[in-house]
Amino acid sequence: SQTIHQWPATLVQPVGSPLSLECTVEGTSNPNLYWYRQAAGRGLQLLFYSVGIGQISSEVPQNLSASRPQDRQFILSSKKLLLSDSGFYLCAWSGDRDGEQNEAFFGQGTRLTVV
Amino acid sequence: AQRVTQPEKLLSVFKGAPVELKCNYSYSGSPELFWYVQYSRQRLQLLLRHISRESIKGFTADLNKGETSFHLKKPFAQEEDSAMYYCALKQGYQKVTFGTGTKLQVIP
Repeated sequence: SQTIHQWPATLVQPVGSPLSLECTVEGTSNPNLYWYRQAAGRGLQLLFYSVGIGQISSEVPQNLSASRPQDRQFILSSKKLLLSDSGFYLCAWSGDRDGEQNEAFFGQGTRLTVV
Repeated sequence: AQRVTQPEKLLSVFKGAPVELKCNYSYSGSPELFWYVQYSRQRLQLLLRHISRESIKGFTADLNKGETSFHLKKPFAQEEDSAMYYCALKQGYQKVTFGTGTKLQVIP
C-alpha cells in the first residue's frame, strides 16, 4: 500500500534562517507531488506541484522554492524565512494517469512558526 | 484554468438539520470531483468522489454538469460531522485544485 511521510511535524525557526521540509512517498511510482499551505480563512493554497523529477510548477510568487531530486521525494525550501512564511504546510501525492488513483493523499503536515 | 469555488467559509447547523455544502467548479473538460474532510487534529482525507456515486457517513454529492456544481449533502447532521470540508477537482494527470474550504459546525 502507498504511504506518505512528511517531516518535521512542527518547526520553529528564526526570521532569516533557511528552511527545508521533506516529503517522501512509498508504494507508488511517478506520482504527482504537491505542496500546499493551509491557512485559516484562506483554505488550501497550492504552492508547487511536480509531475516528474526536476519538473516543478510554481503556483504563487513567494519566498519558497521546491525541488524533486528523486521520483518520490519532494522538498520545500527557503533561503531566508520571513514572518509571513508561518503556517501549516501539507505535502500530497496523486496518481499520474487519467482515471487511476486520481484522489490526493496527504501527509500529516508541518506547523511552521517563524519567530 | 481549473477553479473550485466554495462560497461559504462557515456553515452552522443544528444537530438533526439537513446540511448542504456548496461547491462550484470551472473546467472546460470532464473533471473528476472530490470532497475531502479534515477533522480536528487529523489528516486531510478523502470523503467521497463523484465517480463512485456512493454515500459515505451519510453524505452524498451529485455532479451537475449543467450547473457545474458538486454540492455535498446530508439529510441529518451529527455532531461528529463538525470538520473542515474541501471540494477538489482533478483532470487526468493535471494538478489537484482545491476550494478554499467550508467549516461545518454542528450545534448540539
